[in-house]
Amino acid sequence: GEDVEQSLFLSVREGDSSVINCTYTDSSSTYLYWYKQEPGAGLQLLTYIFSNMDMKQDQRLTVLLNKKDKHLSLRIADTQTGDSAIYFCAVSKAAGNKLTFGGGTRVLVKP
Amino acid sequence: DVKVTQSSRYLVKRTGEKVFLECVQDMDHENMFWYRQDPGLGLRLIYFSYDVKMKEKGDIPEGYSVSREKKERFSLILESASTNQTSMYLCASSLTGRTTEAFFGQGTRLTVV
Repeated sequence: GEDVEQSLFLSVREGDSSVINCTYTDSSSTYLYWYKQEPGAGLQLLTYIFSNMDMKQDQRLTVLLNKKDKHLSLRIADTQTGDSAIYFCAVSKAAGNKLTFGGGTRVLVKP
Repeated sequence: DVKVTQSSRYLVKRTGEKVFLECVQDMDHENMFWYRQDPGLGLRLIYFSYDVKMKEKGDIPEGYSVSREKKERFSLILESASTNQTSMYLCASSLTGRTTEAFFGQGTRLTVV
């Protein structure tokens, strides 16, 4: 089945850029998502990209997709302490369908 | 505002008990999902449902069952709770054919002792 991998931990200084990476195995994954989970909370969608796109920018967030390498990244510009959370990469073959998640990357923002 | 509500935030149950986790959504979504979240493993799909009275196994269905008698409600059942089912359980719902997200509940942290 589908496998989605992420690094476990990222430490970054406030004001710097953060880059979270994700790889997936199934080339038929059509919708690719980034979710954020703050302590004690459920998951909140940050952004998503379709497999026919290379890049999507949304305010401080930039998503890059390398479909050939099955590599997805999320860049957060000007990282703030409020960005400290767990970030999950998730993929789906159809809109609204079941998601396959990576293990999550815990981002710690240091002042 | 879409709301997915899970009946309990925290539960402590004894080994062998039958456990019910309830999830209700208020936006008439066709699709509902149960995931469990464990550190380093992310979220893993237990069961899902694309319609009332319909259910499909996810990646880790063993030891679980589900019920969907009404469109807005999706219940996860642990037939005989075991300590390895201690976890965070997350319910989600979504619309078919929409490109945006699945909406998640706040989660139920279940401890089996």
